[in-house]
Amino acid sequence: EEQLVESGGGLVQPGRSLRLSCAASGFTFDDYAMHWVRQAPGKGLEWVSGISWNSGSIGYADSVKGRFTISRDNAKKSLYLQMNSLRAEDTALYYCVKDIRITMVQGVSSYFDDWGQGTLVAVSS
Amino acid sequence: DIQMTQSPSSLSASVGDRVTITCRASQSISNYLNWYQQQPGKAPKLLIYDASRLQRGVPSRFSGSGSGTDFTLTISSLQPEDFATYYCQQSYFIPRTFGQGTKLEIK
Repeated sequence: EEQLVESGGGLVQPGRSLRLSCAASGFTFDDYAMHWVRQAPGKGLEWVSGISWNSGSIGYADSVKGRFTISRDNAKKSLYLQMNSLRAEDTALYYCVKDIRITMVQGVSSYFDDWGQGTLVAVSS
Repeated sequence: DIQMTQSPSSLSASVGDRVTITCRASQSISNYLNWYQQQPGKAPKLLIYDASRLQRGVPSRFSGSGSGTDFTLTISSLQPEDFATYYCQQSYFIPRTFGQGTKLEIK
């Protein structure tokens, strides 16, 4: 059974950093692109970042570009999100999400077929 | 970035009703449109991909249609477990973007 388990969330002050992790199991991790999707309390879904199987293709939402860095370690079957210069508006539940495709490119159909349960990030002084 | 606009934002309906949710993209995305269902307190779940393909295990009362910029999700006969929030998402462009969601409530 496929499983994605996020960790690393917590309460952090504005301007500080946090690193999220996602441990994958039950599937061949390096056969798939991976993403982070967040959901602010009571709000909708927002795609944050995605990474192809070999880290060759990476993308970010404009709202986090230059502050967040996505990475993966295929040997450890893990996905990461380094979040710097955190703001109150980054407060959200962060989901680790598996893509059906191996890479992330424009003009190629894909979808998110598996989601973790999320890790909560709260940015407040 | 591609903007995805869902309508309505909320909808009240009864068990057995047929409901339709609309999603519009700010530019053509071919048929690269997915629909997700989110129950309260749970992670989203894929229902339909490529505008009209039903994900394995999803009941056949769910269907999707559309291409280009206009898409619909239809539930033919609402069941109690269908009351949830529904999101469309485009997978043609990066960044991937979601609609704002449609909350389906019991009348």
